[in-house]
Amino acid sequence: AQTVTQSQPEMSVQEAETVTLSCTYDTSESDYYLFWYKQPPSRQMILVIRQEAYKQQNATENRFSVNFQKAAKSFSLKISDSQLGDAAMYFCAYRSVNAGGTSYGKLTFGQGTILTVHP
Amino acid sequence: NAGVTQTPKFQVLKTGQSMTLQCAQDMNHNSMYWYRQDPGMGLRLIYYSASEGTTDKGEVPNGYNVSRLNKREFSLRLESAAPSQTSVYFCASSVLGEAHYEQYFGPGTRLTVT
Repeated sequence: AQTVTQSQPEMSVQEAETVTLSCTYDTSESDYYLFWYKQPPSRQMILVIRQEAYKQQNATENRFSVNFQKAAKSFSLKISDSQLGDAAMYFCAYRSVNAGGTSYGKLTFGQGTILTVHP
Repeated sequence: NAGVTQTPKFQVLKTGQSMTLQCAQDMNHNSMYWYRQDPGMGLRLIYYSASEGTTDKGEVPNGYNVSRLNKREFSLRLESAAPSQTSVYFCASSVLGEAHYEQYFGPGTRLTVT
């Protein structure tokens, strides 16, 4: 079974600065998807960025980018030019693409990192 | 287009009471999921329905039952609530067979069992 670990329960950053959130995972599969979700105080889960394992190029979405290290099974999220609205809980998640596997289609989440943005 | 809706938003139950959490999606998705969120543990999958007519256990199914009523609706039932089921419950949906598609989440139900 896959596992996802976020070792930073809390992080903080000054407005306009850059912060990196860490995520590691364990899997025996060669192809899969990784996601970062944001959960603000409203509780709504919002997709921030996704990465397919067979793509070597790191995904970027505006101020959000990832550092995907497949061999190290590491998937960190970098937030540049942090804004007050970035304050939230961030979850890393894994999704199998193996149609025959028991975990197919399901998301496995890490424990989450609470990000505080200071003005 | 409301996306994924959940009712109720909040609920307080006494130990032993039963209740059903309702979930509906209007995006024509095949797959639907129920997660629970507990502090320090992220979201954990309770049950899922890959397509209409099928349901499967997730990571933490004990104490729950589900019904995929039709393509739109997927309900979660607690037959005899226990304090350990105090949690925030999320329903999600996605396209079947396309792992790169995101799961869309409902707003969650905060359940307290006393």
